[in-house]
Amino acid sequence: GAGVSQSPSNKVTEKGKDVELRCDPISGHTALYWYRQSLGQGLEFLIYFQGNSAPDKSGLPSDRFSAERTGGSVSTLTIQRTQQEDSAVYLCASSLNGAIADTQYFGPGTRLTVL
Amino acid sequence: AQSVTQLDSHVSVSEGTPVLLRCNYSSSYSPSLFWYVQHPNKGLQLLLKYTSAATLVKGINGFEAEFKKSETSFHLTKPSAHMSDAAEYFCVVSDPSGNTGKLIFGQGTTLQVKP
Repeated sequence: GAGVSQSPSNKVTEKGKDVELRCDPISGHTALYWYRQSLGQGLEFLIYFQGNSAPDKSGLPSDRFSAERTGGSVSTLTIQRTQQEDSAVYLCASSLNGAIADTQYFGPGTRLTVL
Repeated sequence: AQSVTQLDSHVSVSEGTPVLLRCNYSSSYSPSLFWYVQHPNKGLQLLLKYTSAATLVKGINGFEAEFKKSETSFHLTKPSAHMSDAAEYFCVVSDPSGNTGKLIFGQGTTLQVKP
């Protein structure tokens, strides 16, 4: 079946602009994660959604970052007033129910470049 | 707190020779451990995972890893490297705090396979 999809695959923006990144998880997966992969910081957790529960936002680096998940499916990560240090690959993953031993399936990522 | 340390940032082997990628973990709980692979410009793919069942875990493409609690290690091995194994490999532990299943990644090991 279809895997995790993300759009756009590449995004170039100017410093100070807002961007939205989209993630479509695997159908039937209740858990959704956002991670960021950057040269300096490696791969780091950003935010977690599980069903209708309040999201775990503990990994968001600043209040310029926010995310929502509508209808328990598609998620959007929004970065306001982008900065050059936001340049990274943003990865989305989903798992069946968010258990700690669940396999997370990753999308291809969105490469964000802030000029 | 959970963490993983990949002991080599870069490993180079000749095609047909064994592969060893080293990973040590730190966890106050019985950990769930994973190895993911990332080929250039591709998404992360699960190779194998340990979830407190058999300590020797077999994965895809001939890879396996052994969980050694006494050594806090989870090294990845393959008897014979293939050119297509050239990629970045991540050792990963699942963070049980908050019961979210969020992943904590090592810094990655780049595997080079020489003909």
